[in-house]
Amino acid sequence: SQTIHQWPATLVQPVGSPLSLECTVEGTSNPNLYWYRQAAGRGLQLLFYSVGIGQISSEVPQNLSASRPQDRQFILSSKKLLLSDSGFYLCAWDYRGNTEAFFGQGTRLTVV
Amino acid sequence: RKEVEQDPGPFNVPEGATVAFNCTYSNSASQSFFWYRQDCRKEPKLLMSVYSSGNEDGRFTAQLNRASQYISLLIRDSKLSDSATYLCVVSSRGAGSYQLTFGKGTKLSVIP
Repeated sequence: SQTIHQWPATLVQPVGSPLSLECTVEGTSNPNLYWYRQAAGRGLQLLFYSVGIGQISSEVPQNLSASRPQDRQFILSSKKLLLSDSGFYLCAWDYRGNTEAFFGQGTRLTVV
Repeated sequence: RKEVEQDPGPFNVPEGATVAFNCTYSNSASQSFFWYRQDCRKEPKLLMSVYSSGNEDGRFTAQLNRASQYISLLIRDSKLSDSATYLCVVSSRGAGSYQLTFGKGTKLSVIP
């Protein structure tokens, strides 16, 4: 069966520090991968999606970046965090959009 | 026009009530449709897929109207445990593959 792992679950980082969130998927190959952010009390905001290794599409210009070094690995990064980067970050995968999306348990990031 | 649009609510309804959510989508070539449920501070989880002929799962009924490009979710006999945010999700073609687009969600509070 397929599973998705996302870590860490909670993170508190100072302004200006770097960020690296990792997401891995098991039990499938060549998935679509997504990074979403959800600010408190708000909807899901799509940040990045990837249809294959090294293929990243950005939906919102910001100081975040994403990479997909392996088929089932998706990394969200920042060189310098801003206060506005605080939120609930969710990684998700689906198989070419023809199936439901499966979410990781999320990372709650607080930038202080 | 936003790709996937939902009334954000909140919908505050008494136990036992029937409540309906609508969602509109802009891409007429969209292929698949889903309703997700998100509990507070948790990741979204699939509630049900939406089929062209409409489908029912217990107290939940989903309908799709391709001509008008909207999807609906009907909840009968509301329970306190139905309190959550309901997300409309549409699969559309882009960048050589299908991707999922989430609405911002509709918040439901079922009141005793």
